[in-house]
Amino acid sequence: AIRMTQSPSSFSASTGDRVTITCRASQGISSYLAWYQQKPGKAPKLLIYAASTLQSGVPSRFSGSGSGTDFTLTISCLQSEDFATYYCQQYYSYPRVTFGPGTKVDIK
Amino acid sequence: EVQLVESGGGLVKPGGSLRLSCAASGFTFSSYSMNWVRQAPGKGLEWVSSISSSSSYIYYADSVKGRFTISRDNAKNSLYLQMNSLRAEDTAVYYCARDPPLSAFDIWGQGTMVTVSS
Repeated sequence: AIRMTQSPSSFSASTGDRVTITCRASQGISSYLAWYQQKPGKAPKLLIYAASTLQSGVPSRFSGSGSGTDFTLTISCLQSEDFATYYCQQYYSYPRVTFGPGTKVDIK
Repeated sequence: EVQLVESGGGLVKPGGSLRLSCAASGFTFSSYSMNWVRQAPGKGLEWVSSISSSSSYIYYADSVKGRFTISRDNAKNSLYLQMNSLRAEDTAVYYCARDPPLSAFDIWGQGTMVTVSS
């Protein structure tokens, strides 16, 4: 199975900060990578798919990049509603997708 | 409005069974593959099972294979997960998720909690 890792596992940031989360796959997955945001008690929300394609309705401050094994999610100017946990997901081995362990972003 | 609504969760004893349902609305259910994803308390996301639009292709995670059965009724716009021989480690929130071609899971239900405990 393809294993996904994320770094950092958690960090604190302030509104207005530019933040970057990294996701790494245990083998090459081309651009079959998605990012989700999850708030406590809520379902995950798709932010980005195909490594860099913004899902409809998602603010443009979110962006994704990477291919192969290394990927990043960037939030250009952190807003209060962005404090959440972020997961990456590979779907190269579809339908046996796997998720990263998550990165929690909280308020400094 | 595009929506998925899960139901059927609850408290069950180890070795017991439970059937989850996911009701779809606002889109052509029969055109999409569907999935179940679970999340144990305080943990990350784990894919459980997938079913193609016409039920021709079905897949399971190794952790549930032989115990869980996914199915769908396109006439009723519904997805199901029959869970047998439940274990404590199956305790989780179970989400259904829509699976468009060439994309990731774009629509998720609100989840239903399954607790396996004596």
